[in-house]
Formats: sequence, structure tokens, C-alpha cells
Amino acid sequence: QKEVEQNSGPLSVPEGAIASLNCTYSDRVSQSFFWYRQYSGKSPELIMSIYSNGDKEDGRFTAQLNKASQYVSLLIRDSQPSDSATYLCAVTAGTGGFKTIFGAGTRLFVKA
Amino acid sequence: NAGVTQTPKFQVLKTGQSMTLQCAQDMNHNSMYWYRQDPGMGLRLIYYSASEGTTDKGEVPNGYNVSRLNKREFSLRLESAAPSQTSVYFCASSEDHRGTYGYTFGSGTRLTVV
Repeated sequence: QKEVEQNSGPLSVPEGAIASLNCTYSDRVSQSFFWYRQYSGKSPELIMSIYSNGDKEDGRFTAQLNKASQYVSLLIRDSQPSDSATYLCAVTAGTGGFKTIFGAGTRLFVKA
Repeated sequence: NAGVTQTPKFQVLKTGQSMTLQCAQDMNHNSMYWYRQDPGMGLRLIYYSASEGTTDKGEVPNGYNVSRLNKREFSLRLESAAPSQTSVYFCASSEDHRGTYGYTFGSGTRLTVV
């Protein structure tokens, strides 16, 4: 079992819709959770961080964390073509020196 | 406002050649990292430096060496390049060794070994 799992996609949504990206992780004592956006040919860019159960909103982005289910998600409201990218989930493990593990990413395509 | 600067951006090596990838950050971060990214495999940690003066192996260290030259600079060296090292390499930095506030990435180096 991979430590951080994401559906590779592509996830295709129409412009203006809500895009829902999901991630599960295996280390129960993980402490910090992140979403990065990576445009094709570019480097990952941190867009959201979440540390406790519940929702965290930042503009059109909402991160959701459920530690009991070992699940973290990213919602993008009013999706725009410029949101088309690969979204990487990252989890900072609570064991083994607090290293950060990245998922392989979900490709999102927003159709105009 | 540079953040994390990596050089070079592109490189083609012949099998057996050596090279050093350079990375520098100007955010006064304590920790620095080298990742490689391959299609379908996500980011894999090669080496990291939790603080100036320390380095540790990550998930895929074989064939690589690193040097934390000072707080700003962290270099990655390939002593004898192999085709399996064809990849995109990213340097990253974080405020603390736990990555509590996430990472800032450099723009990447696309390396091809023929």
C-alpha cells in the first residue's frame, strides 16, 4: 500500500463547477497535510495546508481533513480553465523523522 | 524575491559523466531537500539536510551525493550518471525539518542521461 494515494485522473469538470480531489494516507500519526498545484513543466506550488480535522477555506479552495478516516480532500469552487494542473497531496509523517510524503498527483482538466 | 534557485534548468549527460546540480535559497530556511520526479511515481526524496551541517539519505539515495555548503546552498552530485537517473530534479526548502509550513520548490532541472 502506498503511503499517500491519489486517483491519477484525469478529472474533467466544466468551467464553473466544483472540482473535488481526494487523498488517503496510511500513517495514523501524520500531523501536517498539504495540497500543491503543479502546472505542466513547472514546479509544485503550495496552495493549501491543514493541520486539524474539519474544513479550511482560502478563496475558491477548501481543504477538508478527516484524521479518523485518514482522508484529506481539496475542493475547488467555480473552477476555471487556469485551474487545469496536477494537484499533489502531501503528508508529513508523524514517525520516521517527520518526513513529507507526496502522492503521485491527480490531473485536473477544466473545460471552457 | 527569488525564493529557491536551481541551476542548470536543462542538462544532457552521457552515461558515466558526472555533474553537480546547484540550489540556493534566500528565505533563511533551515532545511533543504532534493527530490526527483518521474511520471506516475510522484516526488521521491533523494537526500535532505535538516539544518546546516547535516545531511541524510532519503528514499532513493543510490548514485547521488550531496553537500550542504552553508545555510543557503545545497548541491546534488551525480558521480557517474546512468540512464536510470534521467528525471526532473527539484530542490526545495522549508522553515523547519518537519516541513510544518510546507515546502518552497525551485524551478527544476530536467536531466537526460544517454
